[in-house]
Amino acid sequence: DTAVSQTPKYLVTQMGNDKSIKCEQNLGHDTMYWYKQDSKKFLKIMFSYNNKELIINETVPNRFSPKSPDKAHLNLHINSLELGDSAVYFCASWVGDHQETQYFGPGTRLLVL
Amino acid sequence: AQSVSQHNHHVILSEAASLELGCNYSYGGTVNLFWYVQYPGQHLQLLLKYFSGDPLVKGIKGFEAEFIKSKFSFNLRKPSVQWSDTAEYFCAVNARAGGGADGLTFGKGTHLIIQP
Repeated sequence: DTAVSQTPKYLVTQMGNDKSIKCEQNLGHDTMYWYKQDSKKFLKIMFSYNNKELIINETVPNRFSPKSPDKAHLNLHINSLELGDSAVYFCASWVGDHQETQYFGPGTRLLVL
Repeated sequence: AQSVSQHNHHVILSEAASLELGCNYSYGGTVNLFWYVQYPGQHLQLLLKYFSGDPLVKGIKGFEAEFIKSKFSFNLRKPSVQWSDTAEYFCAVNARAGGGADGLTFGKGTHLIIQP
């Protein structure tokens, strides 16, 4: 079974649209994250959720909103998509133990036309 | 806030050459350190990690890294690379004080190309 899964794998859409990316983890982890990897491969954290509470929110436009219906899911909703939103978005989860690492999902490639 | 610097953005080597990728971090406290690899079109895979103990850590696929606290460095090494090592390599840290809840801070990556 996949530990961290994301859907869809690819997403092509027009500017101005609203879209969501879903993430699910079956590891029982307490904390989940969204990272963005831009066209230059630079990875940067966007959000972190712990027990449905937003912990950090790096300087991300408010068009991006994470939504966590339960501990196993952290979805990313994006309003009014812009060309610059084109990137690969990775979900990750963490058990909460300092001796453990994060587990990453396979990524969602978003292309805004 | 912590930051990570990877010195080499592009590295080209021949098969069987030795590899060392530099990584330095900036943070005043205790950190956890990681190296991830991303093969073309693939997701991130953990190569190795350092939390505490022996500063020389061994990872998968014959990679190892050495934590040198005095130099704030965590360089990645492999004695003999293969064509299949062609990938993007990322060094990452997270501050122990904040726990994993702060997420990982990544370097900008090193694109490694191995020529047959």
